[in-house]
Amino acid sequence: KAGVTQTPRYLIKTRGQQVTLSCSPISGHRSVSWYQQTPGQGLQFLFEYFSETQRNKGNFPGRFSGRQFSNSRSEMNVSTLELGDSALYLCASSLGGRPLTDTQYFGPGTRLTVL
Amino acid sequence: AQTVTQSQPEMSVQEAETVTLSCTYDTSESDYYLFWYKQPPSRQMILVIRQEAYKQQNATENRFSVNFQKAAKSFSLKISDSQLGDAAMYFCAYRTPAYNNDMRFGAGTRLTVKP
Repeated sequence: KAGVTQTPRYLIKTRGQQVTLSCSPISGHRSVSWYQQTPGQGLQFLFEYFSETQRNKGNFPGRFSGRQFSNSRSEMNVSTLELGDSALYLCASSLGGRPLTDTQYFGPGTRLTVL
Repeated sequence: AQTVTQSQPEMSVQEAETVTLSCTYDTSESDYYLFWYKQPPSRQMILVIRQEAYKQQNATENRFSVNFQKAAKSFSLKISDSQLGDAAMYFCAYRTPAYNNDMRFGAGTRLTVKP
């Protein structure tokens, strides 16, 4: 089975712009979670989508949003970019039926740099 | 607050030796899971091992084992017969239904393996 894929792998944007990141889960997985990783704040949970619905949300401003399509692919959008949004954005997929016990499989991440 | 603490920012081990990475967590919940993830230089997070809180027996996966001390809220990872490929960042993580099953990560421990 193919693993979790994320596109693009690297992205450079300027302040005020918006960006969309994509995540394709492992075939058969219905849950996609997004995380932000920075040197200062570490790994932080952004949100989780399951069957096209947001099931869980972390403590991030409304500039961060996401969606999930019927094929379980997910996109994450950040509007009005700030310098502090520079980070590695990781997505993880899981089967989704048992959120506590399901193993999450991570993608390679998208490195976003905001200038 | 549900927090995960890794008190060792960096650790070093000689190849073929054994190393233990520490993790403590703070929770008042009884139902939760604990995880150790490895993030090599490629940045892709890989699940190393996981432990259910209700299980007293420590989890093991080949050369990796945990020492789960529930009363002390401690969850350390022991790597036996260390290999060069074990060099990575190691993250301890926690998950509970009481907080919507979102994954809470520690700050990480960078493990160096010396040949």
